[in-house]
Amino acid sequence: GQSLEQPSEVTAVEGAIVQINCTYQTSGFYGLSWYQQHDGGAPTFLSYNALDGLEETGRFSSFLSRSDSYGYLLLQELQMKDSASYFCASNTGGFKTIFGAGTRLFVKA
Amino acid sequence: NAGVTQTPKFQVLKTGQSMTLQCAQDMNHEYMSWYRQDPGMGLRLIHYSVGAGITDQGEVPNGYNVSRSTTEDFPLRLLSAAPSQTSVYFCASSYSRDRAYEQYFGPGTRLTVT
Repeated sequence: GQSLEQPSEVTAVEGAIVQINCTYQTSGFYGLSWYQQHDGGAPTFLSYNALDGLEETGRFSSFLSRSDSYGYLLLQELQMKDSASYFCASNTGGFKTIFGAGTRLFVKA
Repeated sequence: NAGVTQTPKFQVLKTGQSMTLQCAQDMNHEYMSWYRQDPGMGLRLIHYSVGAGITDQGEVPNGYNVSRSTTEDFPLRLLSAAPSQTSVYFCASSYSRDRAYEQYFGPGTRLTVT
């Protein structure tokens, strides 16, 4: 089957750095996406890794290791507005996207 | 651009009723999809379309039908609503099948089946 595992909750302090991990088991793996979702809102796309390595977009970075079936999202200089759920998603051949159950990030002052 | 729009925002149905959730996008996106999101869970793919006239099943297609007669619209039909279909439904689109990793989501429809 296809599955993505990520921690259910992470708590961090404002201004700190937090890493949200994702391990996957999917057939026909093409790449790993990350989405952010605030309570009551819609998911919004953050980043995508098709190749091994780090992708940086402002305060957010995403990493992929295909050999380890592992990726992570790194959030730097945490702000209160970063409190949200974060989903990793596996893109299988461009046709189907499978989502993890999500990690709820709590940012404390 | 309005992006991806969905109607209605909220809906309550009785068991056995049918209804259509509407989804439209004005970005000329080729790829569109429907997801459901249950509490504490990620999004599960119901159906998707890679272009007008072409649809296929996702992870949880039972009880739902779709059609794609135009590039812009991708309605989701619930044939005979069941309490297990109580969920938040999101429609999403992306520029092409090759960029399905970057999806734009609508605001969602919150459906309750009693």
